[in-house]
Amino acid sequence: KAGVTQTPRYLIKTRGQQVTLSCSPISGHRSVSWYQQTPGQGLQFLFEYFSETQRNKGNFPGRFSGRQFSNSRSEMNVSTLELGDSALYLCASSHTNWGTEAFFGQGTRLTVV
Amino acid sequence: EDKVVQSPLSLVVHEGDTVTLNCSYEVTNFRSLLWYKQEKKAPTFLFMLTSSGIEKKSGRLSSILDKKELFSILNITATQTGDSAIYLCAVLKETSGSRLTFGEGTQLTVNP
Repeated sequence: KAGVTQTPRYLIKTRGQQVTLSCSPISGHRSVSWYQQTPGQGLQFLFEYFSETQRNKGNFPGRFSGRQFSNSRSEMNVSTLELGDSALYLCASSHTNWGTEAFFGQGTRLTVV
Repeated sequence: EDKVVQSPLSLVVHEGDTVTLNCSYEVTNFRSLLWYKQEKKAPTFLFMLTSSGIEKKSGRLSSILDKKELFSILNITATQTGDSAIYLCAVLKETSGSRLTFGEGTQLTVNP
């Protein structure tokens, strides 16, 4: 059974640009959540999607957005990149939205210069 | 505000030692507590604990939840260098779907 797949694995962008990250969940999983991990802040929740609907949202500015497609694949977009957006972005998939264990992808390392 | 606190933040031991990692939480509408191991990038799932007092075991790792005192411990016996990692504790709430609230993590280093 394939795990959670995130692409790309690494990205370097300049300030002001925008970026789109992709996440393919485990087959059959319908919930996808996104997290930002930085050395100072740890793992911070961005948002969760279930059946193409955003079910939960963390405390991030509107520059961070996401969506989920009918095949459960999800994308997150960050516009007007800032240096502080440099982080590891992790995607997690769960079977349902009723709080079962989540399985993480390898992450996308975003560096903003 | 929901809070998950792990201790210690870092720990250095020798191979063969036994370690205990702590996680305390203050959340409303608690559902479950989860432990993850993060070596390089992807946190890997270890345990999910929902009921108080029931120990979960997997090889040399075990974990237990105390819902009255609002904490959990993760034990690792006969540690190996491959146990070196960040151990993350996270909480699920009844009202927040699959959203996890994480602690800061414990950086465990096992020296040969």
